[in-house]
Amino acid sequence: AQTVTQSQPEMSVQEAETVTLSCTYDTSESDYYLFWYKQPPSRQMILVIRQEAYKQQNATENRFSVNFQKAAKSFSLKISDSQLGDAAMYFCAYSPILNSGAGSYQLTFGKGTKLSVIP
Amino acid sequence: NAGVTQTPKFQVLKTGQSMTLQCAQDMNHNSMYWYRQDPGMGLRLIYYSASEGTTDKGEVPNGYNVSRLNKREFSLRLESAAPSQTSVYFCASSDRYGYTFGSGTRLTVV
Repeated sequence: AQTVTQSQPEMSVQEAETVTLSCTYDTSESDYYLFWYKQPPSRQMILVIRQEAYKQQNATENRFSVNFQKAAKSFSLKISDSQLGDAAMYFCAYSPILNSGAGSYQLTFGKGTKLSVIP
Repeated sequence: NAGVTQTPKFQVLKTGQSMTLQCAQDMNHNSMYWYRQDPGMGLRLIYYSASEGTTDKGEVPNGYNVSRLNKREFSLRLESAAPSQTSVYFCASSDRYGYTFGSGTRLTVV
């Protein structure tokens, strides 16, 4: 079974600074998807970024970028120029590619990292 | 706005009572899911439906049943609620680009 580990239960960052959240995973598959989700106090799950394992290039979405190290099974999230609105729980998630054509995924989540942003 | 709608948002049940959580999506997605989230944990998959007419167990299916009523609707039923089922429940749907989550149902079983 796949597992996802987030070793930092809580982190904090000064506003406008950069922070990196860590995630490691375990799988025997060669192709899969990795995700970072943000959960603010409203409890809504918001997709931050997605990485396809067969792509060498690290995904980027505005101030959010990942460092994907396939051999090390590591998938960290870097948040640049941190803003107060970035304060939330962040979850790393893994999905095998079961039926990508139909858009069917089974996500395995880590336990999350609570990020605080200090004004 | 298009998305995933869950009802109710909050519910308190007594042990042994039954209830159905409703979920509907208007995004024309084939796949739908039910997850639960417990304190200090990420979301865990209860059941999923890869397409209309099919359902499969996820990681934690015991104590639950599901029905994929049509392409839009996917319900989760607790036949005899137990305190261990106190949790926040999320419905979601997906296409090839990823998931859309509902806003969650906070269920307390006393």
